[in-house]
Amino acid sequence: EPEVTQTPSHQVTQMGQEVILRCVPISNHLYFYWYRQILGQKVEFLVSFYNNEISEKSEIFDDQFSVERPDGSNFTLKIRSTKLEDSAMYFCASRTDRGLRGGYTFGSGTRLTVV
Amino acid sequence: SQQGEEDPQALSIQEGENATMNCSYKTSINNLQWYRQNSGRGLVHLILIRSNEREKHSGRLRVTLDTSKKSSSLLITASRAADTASYFCATEDTGRRALTFGSGTRLQVQP
Repeated sequence: EPEVTQTPSHQVTQMGQEVILRCVPISNHLYFYWYRQILGQKVEFLVSFYNNEISEKSEIFDDQFSVERPDGSNFTLKIRSTKLEDSAMYFCASRTDRGLRGGYTFGSGTRLTVV
Repeated sequence: SQQGEEDPQALSIQEGENATMNCSYKTSINNLQWYRQNSGRGLVHLILIRSNEREKHSGRLRVTLDTSKKSSSLLITASRAADTASYFCATEDTGRRALTFGSGTRLQVQP
């Protein structure tokens, strides 16, 4: 079964540092997403990406965040200057453009800890 | 309540019993999906029900959707200890291709 792959699985970073979270979505999917889940809270939408551009973003996704699809396979989330409150599990997801049957496919997540 | 609120927040049952979780939402939706999350792990898609469907089955899972009440329920029959996890409903709202998640139900199945 195709998978969404995320790396690293864990990352610890100093406050103020830049981090890049990486994802390899399913190859024939066209919509890509980043979600985050602060410990004990609900999963929150950050951004969606389609046709090489951001199609939608939430109010969480401010100027500190950016996404990129540098090649045909990778999809990255960059946080320019991390804050303590950025500590969360970050999930990448993808979905097909065709009639949705099986839901979105999520990666296993990157646990980001900002110290 | 907020978009995609699950009820109950936590549920503890014995193996073999049925588990029912409810979800309410506020918007107009294309579909509603249920996901499972084991502690600290990723989200696994369980089942999707479209806005024009009322009931759907997949193995031991049964999902209902009442768009007039903006609510859905997930029934897990003959539960197993391995079903212990958090369960989230998520809506794909009309005009959007993104998910809005509920706060989840933590299910504990005692062996």
